Amino acid sequence: GEDVEQSLFLSVREGDSSVINCTYTDSSSTYLYWYKQEPGAGLQLLTYIFSNMDMKQDQRLTVLLNKKDKHLSLRIADTQTGDSAIYFCAERHPNNNDMRFGAGTRLTVKP
Amino acid sequence: ETGVTQSPTHLIKTRGQQVTLRCSSQSGHNTVSWYQQALGQGPQFIFQYYREEENGRGNFPPRFSGLQFPNYSSELNVNALELDDSALYLCASSSSRGNTEAFFGQGTRLTVV
Repeated sequence: GEDVEQSLFLSVREGDSSVINCTYTDSSSTYLYWYKQEPGAGLQLLTYIFSNMDMKQDQRLTVLLNKKDKHLSLRIADTQTGDSAIYFCAERHPNNNDMRFGAGTRLTVKP
Repeated sequence: ETGVTQSPTHLIKTRGQQVTLRCSSQSGHNTVSWYQQALGQGPQFIFQYYREEENGRGNFPPRFSGLQFPNYSSELNVNALELDDSALYLCASSSSRGNTEAFFGQGTRLTVV
């Protein structure tokens, strides 16, 4: 497809793990990103992964990349109510200077 | 805090008017990108400025224009505003054109009535 695709909603219980999935468009994309957006705020860079990596872990965050399927996921361990936000995945093409974003996944964490 | 500041935070304009939005990039960053985020959608790339020159443009009409100044701050200008221009406008700064990390400001919420 032409769009970066994400499921729109995810709801989890506090303390559970959250997994947010994304399918991107271009197998030649060099970097894949996860951003977090809280209500009324800009985008906060959470983590990114270079396309020659399969996995990246950063504290509670784990990024998995399946380049063959153009599939990216973000796992948040021990999800907290403060993790409630919209999460965007984005890809950067090697010859372009822009990032292409998905529509975002709204994560709701219930106590 | 990313060190990227945008002004104003909110703005209401009438259809047909012109608007200028401003962005101060993070210290040491020479590249600024502008994005439009409509309600319920992801950001869409408008253009990028690198060392005062436009360095890539998305699928936006010419009435969207920009500038970058010697201190690397930037302006986004939109002429002949349309209702569909209502959105959150985000700027992102990075330390070079293809740099890995781009840091976003808080955005300017533009409402066109």
